[in-house]
Amino acid sequence: ETGVTQTPRHLVMGMTNKKSLKCEQHLGHNAMYWYKQSAKKPLELMFVYSLEERVENNSVPSRFSPECPNSSHLFLHLHTLQPEDSALYLCASSQELAGREQYFGPGTRLTVT
Amino acid sequence: AQSVAQPEDQVNVAEGNPLTVKCTYSVSGNPYLFWYVQYPNRGLQFLLKYITGDNLVKGSYGFEAEFNKSQTSFHLKKPSALVSDSALYFCAVRDSYSNYQLIWGAGTKLIIKP
Repeated sequence: ETGVTQTPRHLVMGMTNKKSLKCEQHLGHNAMYWYKQSAKKPLELMFVYSLEERVENNSVPSRFSPECPNSSHLFLHLHTLQPEDSALYLCASSQELAGREQYFGPGTRLTVT
Repeated sequence: AQSVAQPEDQVNVAEGNPLTVKCTYSVSGNPYLFWYVQYPNRGLQFLLKYITGDNLVKGSYGFEAEFNKSQTSFHLKKPSALVSDSALYFCAVRDSYSNYQLIWGAGTKLIIKP
C-alpha cells in the first residue's frame, strides 16, 4: 500500500448505528486530518492531529469522535448520526503541521438513513 | 475575514486550448497558496504551491499557477488542455492565524471537450 488509504470506501448506516472510519498513511508523516466534503461547499476541517496529539477540533458535534493511536493511523468513530452528516469524509496527512501540502486518501462515502 | 474565492463553478474548454481556473484570496501577511485536483470518486491530489520566490509556479501534469500579489490572485493555468484534465479543482490558502489550517475555495469543475 502506498500513500493514504481509507476504509471502508462506502458506508450506509442508520441513525442509531455505531461505526468507525479508518485511515492509514504510509508516508511517514507527522500530522493527520479529517475533513468533511459536501457537494459544492468548501472542505470542512474537522480534526487535526500532530504527533498523535489532537490540536484542533473545529466545533464538531460529539457524535463524531476521533482517535489517533499512532502517527500512521487515524480513526473516526461515528454514533447516532443525522441524515445531514451524509458526505464524503476525507483523511489527509502532511509531513509536518505548518505550511506543508497535504496528501489525501480516496475518502469514505457515508450515507445516513 | 480570511477567505478564498473561486468565482466560476464550472469552466468549459476545448481540448488543445489554454485553460485558466481562477482563484482570489484574502489573508493577513504573506500567503501560502495551494492548488489541488479531485478526480471522480477519488481524494484530492496536490498539484502545486506558492510560498515564496518566483511568481510563476510549475506543478504536476503540466499545470502552472501565477501569484499576483497586487490582485491577490493565484490562477491555475495550462497551455494546452487534455480531456483527462476534466476534474474538480480546489484552491486553498494557509490560515495565517492558525499557521496550519487551510482555507478552501468551493471548487471549480473543469470540463475539457474533445
